[in-house]
Amino acid sequence: NAGVTQTPKFRVLKTGQSMTLLCAQDMNHEYMYWYRQDPGMGLRLIHYSVGEGTTAKGEVPDGYNVSRLKKQNFLLGLESAAPSQTSVYFCATWRAGGDTQYFGPGTRLTVL
Amino acid sequence: AQKITQTQPGMFVQEKEAVTLDCTYDTSDQSYGLFWYKQPSSGEMIFLIYQGSYDEQNATEGRYSLNFQKARKSANLVISASQLGDSAMYFCAMREGGNLRSSASKIIFGSGTRLSIRP
Repeated sequence: NAGVTQTPKFRVLKTGQSMTLLCAQDMNHEYMYWYRQDPGMGLRLIHYSVGEGTTAKGEVPDGYNVSRLKKQNFLLGLESAAPSQTSVYFCATWRAGGDTQYFGPGTRLTVL
Repeated sequence: AQKITQTQPGMFVQEKEAVTLDCTYDTSDQSYGLFWYKQPSSGEMIFLIYQGSYDEQNATEGRYSLNFQKARKSANLVISASQLGDSAMYFCAMREGGNLRSSASKIIFGSGTRLSIRP
């Protein structure tokens, strides 16, 4: 039982490059979230999903796209990376009826 | 709009003392949930405690308790008998939503408080 995993753990991009971050969960949770955490700051919600095939915008969605084609996976895409997207990205899940959010270990992304 | 405010960027506390971390929130919903998370230097996010807006009693989890004052819109975290391992960033978070246990909604975080425990 791996819980919430994120791939990759680290990545360095050049401005304008694209990439996809993968969040996978084996807990069969309905809800999934993507956050970014900038140095010395709290987490800001980028996008979230309430179920397979559905996504919604969070606080800071610009520059990102997401997809939830399978219940267990939530993908975060950067089409044209910018230095302002340098951050640590966290994925989280929530079980319907629960009261705890489970976090992945984070992905550290640097955009040069 | 949802808003979470943590006014203490950093705190120093002597080991074994109790500490209160402040959190105020703003929401127009009647139904919501409040959370506290701990983030040690390793970077992982650790869930500590949850309080529902309709819960009549303050939540407690071991040495952690949540001082929920609904009229003041505050949800302070109290750590009793602090330990060196409590040194970390602490985040308050809020979730809005009609029926919290059956619908998802945004969960937003405050900017955090860095707690340092002195031996």
